[in-house]
Amino acid sequence: DQQVKQNSPSLSVQEGRISILNCDYTNSMFDYFLWYKKYPAEGPTFLISISSIKDKNEDGRFTVFLNKSAKHLSLHIVPSQPGDSAVYFCAAKGTQGGSEKLVFGKGTKLTVNP
Amino acid sequence: DSGVTQTPKHLITATGQRVTLRCSPRSGDLSVYWYQQSLDQGLQFLIQYYNGEERAKGNILERFSAQQFPDLHSELNLSSLELGDSALYFCASSVGGTGPYNEQFFGPGTRLTVL
Repeated sequence: DQQVKQNSPSLSVQEGRISILNCDYTNSMFDYFLWYKKYPAEGPTFLISISSIKDKNEDGRFTVFLNKSAKHLSLHIVPSQPGDSAVYFCAAKGTQGGSEKLVFGKGTKLTVNP
Repeated sequence: DSGVTQTPKHLITATGQRVTLRCSPRSGDLSVYWYQQSLDQGLQFLIQYYNGEERAKGNILERFSAQQFPDLHSELNLSSLELGDSALYFCASSVGGTGPYNEQFFGPGTRLTVL
């Protein structure tokens, strides 16, 4: 049961253009959402997050949008740079049965072409 | 560099064997988390320890166990290994145990190959 879904395994964009990575979740218990970036041979690193009380959070070139009614979030990277090429994981956090859970999607591999 | 260290980087072993993966959290972090990333899966949460005690459990098999020691380092023990246990195992640490703003910092991972 995949509670956090990233339906696009890969995405390729041109340098300078916008990259849009999508994520869907199924469980209403999630109230905090995060994006992690992972380079090969390294662990994931935190990129940006958003609380369920907001619908947008911006940090430099990165913006995360949350649509609670659709249970959908997206990460926008503008403008995209070759150094952004990595695997991006969407993660959702919530509390169930008194226990906090952080559930990751399978990741989307972003390639930014020069 | 996240400040989280994991050893070994690579581990090759045979089915039926037992291995121990080690994690040292960032200085000051009390929580340690273990994750498994298989070839076609996202990061699967296994278990969390906070200040020496088990805090949360995820999809951890009974063949697997973990502990956190008084110096806060953690070990993940995998026994009766099967081919399907081949994966990247990540450790992460955070300052606190719960809360939405409790950011996790990941180590570089241990790649386990079971032959």
